[in-house]
Formats: sequence, structure tokens, C-alpha cells
Amino acid sequence: DADVTQTPRNRITKTGKRIMLECSQTKGHDRMYWYRQDPGLGLRLIYYSFDVKDINKGEISDGYSVSRQAQAKFSLSLESAIPNQTALYFCATSDRYAGPDTQYFGPGTRLTVL
Amino acid sequence: GEDVEQSLFLSVREGDSSVINCTYTDSSSTYLYWYKQEPGAGLQLLTYIFSNMDMKQDQRLTVLLNKKDKHLSLRIADTQTGDSAIYFCAESKGTGKLIFGQGTTLQVKP
Repeated sequence: DADVTQTPRNRITKTGKRIMLECSQTKGHDRMYWYRQDPGLGLRLIYYSFDVKDINKGEISDGYSVSRQAQAKFSLSLESAIPNQTALYFCATSDRYAGPDTQYFGPGTRLTVL
Repeated sequence: GEDVEQSLFLSVREGDSSVINCTYTDSSSTYLYWYKQEPGAGLQLLTYIFSNMDMKQDQRLTVLLNKKDKHLSLRIADTQTGDSAIYFCAESKGTGKLIFGQGTTLQVKP
């Protein structure tokens, strides 16, 4: 969905490096999410933000941090990357005023930690 | 607890119907969703169903919900090679968070 963009699309880094993944949206949604996808495990929620000042941990937040710089921007940081953080990372958005909790996804960032 | 389960793989022939199944554990789920992920892309919403509905049809897609058994299915009629993708089932309780299944890879053979 072009309304949700992620940068970079691919990144290869080394163990111990600090990495930031960025997400921007033009949908005007208040809620934003970060997930990681691993084969056979589906999507697991890392962090979510219902508002600029409302940030919450998901089920697998250890080793990650986030920053909601504006309503349209939500960044995910790996303070010291490790190989088991190699995965596909997705950002998503949703609108609290929409009936169902439909989420709209970015194209993903493929991160490889060597 | 909250858990959503799917089988990992389904293979069908072009033109056949595909049925992808999903089970969930949380009886308080409000909405249930089907998302499609094509290679190299993010997840795209296919359809959703409210928990007070039994069925929803949208062109080639039919969603069936059995609340008693906590079972959701997605039927794709006349499956095409372009339907090859990973299909994710997800549930929510209206809290803004989704719980996803592991995803079912649909392979469509010509």
C-alpha cells in the first residue's frame, strides 16, 4: 500500500550495530504498529502506538525500541542487533474511528543481521 | 489466552476451489479477518467478518464462521495462479490489536 512507506526496504548489518527502520503514512491514521514476520510463526507484534504520546509494548519488545515522532511517523530501533533479529519487519496503521480494527500494511523491510 | 492456528500449506489445481481453515481460541473476538501476502509485498486485507455473522461472500471469496467451534474458513472459487500467496487469518476484540495466525501458503498448480 503506497500510503504506508517503509525505509529501507532491505538492510544487511553486523551483530552489535544500531539500526533504525522508519515508517511513514499518509492515511491520516492515529494508530501505528510494528511487526516482525518469521517463516511459520506469522506476524508478531513488537510495539504499537495509539497516539503520539501513547506507546505500548507488544508480545516481543525485548531488544527493540520505538519513537513516534509525529502522527505520521513511527520508527523502530534495534539498539544492538543480533542474528536472531533477522526477519521481515512490517509497519501498519489503523484508524480508531473505523468500526473494525482493519490494519493497512507497508511493503516491509528485510533485515539481515550477520 | 489468545491463539490463532492455521495449517501451513495448501496445494490446489487451477480452476479448483481452495479452502483455507483457521481456528481461534478467544470467544470474545469481535472481528475476524483474512489477509493476503503476495511475494515481496506487505499484507493486503481481503475481507473481514463480524462475529455475529455466519457467512460473507464477496465475488470469488466466501468466508464461513462457526462460532461454536471457533472455526473460520476462506473459500476461493475458481482458483487462479494469481491467487498463489500466503493467507493470514487474524482476530481482534475491537481493542486495536490483531492476533495473526501463522499463515497458509497457497500453491496453485497450472
